Amino acid sequence: SAVISQKPSRDICQRGTSLTIQCQVDSQVTMMFWYRQQPGQSLTLIATANQGSEATYESGFVIDKFPISRPNLTFSTLTVSNMSPEDSSIYLCSVRRVNTEAFFGQGTRLTVV
Amino acid sequence: KQEVTQIPAALSVPEGENLVLNCSFTDSAIYNLQWFRQDPGKGLTSLLLIQSSQREQTSGRLNASLDKSSGRSTLYIAASQPGDSATYLCAVSGETSGSRLTFGEGTQLTVNP
Repeated sequence: SAVISQKPSRDICQRGTSLTIQCQVDSQVTMMFWYRQQPGQSLTLIATANQGSEATYESGFVIDKFPISRPNLTFSTLTVSNMSPEDSSIYLCSVRRVNTEAFFGQGTRLTVV
Repeated sequence: KQEVTQIPAALSVPEGENLVLNCSFTDSAIYNLQWFRQDPGKGLTSLLLIQSSQREQTSGRLNASLDKSSGRSTLYIAASQPGDSATYLCAVSGETSGSRLTFGEGTQLTVNP
């Protein structure tokens, strides 16, 4: 199993600003994933973050808007840049070793005003 | 492209009732299927993981089955309690998608005292 600590748990931000979300895992993992969950919807994968390489972004998500860092095997950050009200969502980090159980952080509830 | 559907979208039952949540997927080439629980505004809690070679998994009052060939899974909850109220999500990991999970839209369960 894996225990994931995600910070902050929630924030209210002004449009045009940026927020960095942190994700800390209690064990080393190769791949970390960042998801977005818009109100009333299911999870959408933003990107896969591998240590030592650039993150791989899904269609519709770009590095300039969602820069990701992965400095080591237990930590990652996701930044939501130049925010607008449409970015109001729950952002979740997840870890999963290949073909095994996935674990999620507690989520970051972001409201952009 | 894998698509995951969950029926019903919402379910309200009286306390003590046994219930079944359904999950179907379009591509049967999966490695595994995972059921999660999500409380409002929070992250995901893993409930059960079924590998493609397995038919079912049990944990306490929960039992999940998998029929890979027909692209279906069910989550059975016995003797439901108000504390079971949450959104239940299923997700599949495909043979061609690596570690990426594809999520259903979820079933919002309310158990009334």
